[in-house]
Amino acid sequence: AQSVTQLDSHVSVSEGTPVLLRCNYSSSYSPSLFWYVQHPNKGLQLLLKYTSAATLVKGINGFEAEFKKSETSFHLTKPSAHMSDAAEYFCVVNPNTGNQFYFGTGTSLTVIP
Amino acid sequence: EAEVAQSPRYKITEKSQAVAFWCDPISGHATLYWYRQILGQGPELLVQFQDESVVDDSQLPKDRFSAERLKGVDSTLKIQPAELGDSAMYLCASSPRGGRTGELFFGEGSRLTVL
Repeated sequence: AQSVTQLDSHVSVSEGTPVLLRCNYSSSYSPSLFWYVQHPNKGLQLLLKYTSAATLVKGINGFEAEFKKSETSFHLTKPSAHMSDAAEYFCVVNPNTGNQFYFGTGTSLTVIP
Repeated sequence: EAEVAQSPRYKITEKSQAVAFWCDPISGHATLYWYRQILGQGPELLVQFQDESVVDDSQLPKDRFSAERLKGVDSTLKIQPAELGDSAMYLCASSPRGGRTGELFFGEGSRLTVL
């Protein structure tokens, strides 16, 4: 069975400080993993994806994530938060068995000036 | 840059009325998805198409919701009659045909408010 757990529903950081959004997954297969960002009343935008190549993945806007198979984790990080990073973030798993995607429940990131 | 088009962006309707949402995926994308996202929650899959065929509609409330993708290109999601609990964002996404690098490309969504 496939599932995605985002460990924090809300994260609050000060502008200029590091961001860590945590995601754990379970998959019976070798999955692809994604992080999407959603600003209010907008669709979801891809930040980055892991598809079995390098385990450290760099995305847009300075975000990166590391795939750790032994820990079944795919945490999202950014060295320095910007006000424009305030949004909802979703961790998504594709188990690569039929083009199906499983979403986490989301983490709301607040950036304090 | 190619985008997934959705309309309308916003819809306000009264309960028991019919509503319809339209989606035009990125050209050449075989797989099309409709998701419902209730405020403060993650997207929930309603229906998945592969070309013109339904692959998964297990979470679609079939007594009031219907979806079609007649020519395997654009798609329509209909609700009849609308209920108060249907107020949500309806997101359309498309994906290339399979493959490990497949990702979802989302439209801007259609925000439905049922009064």
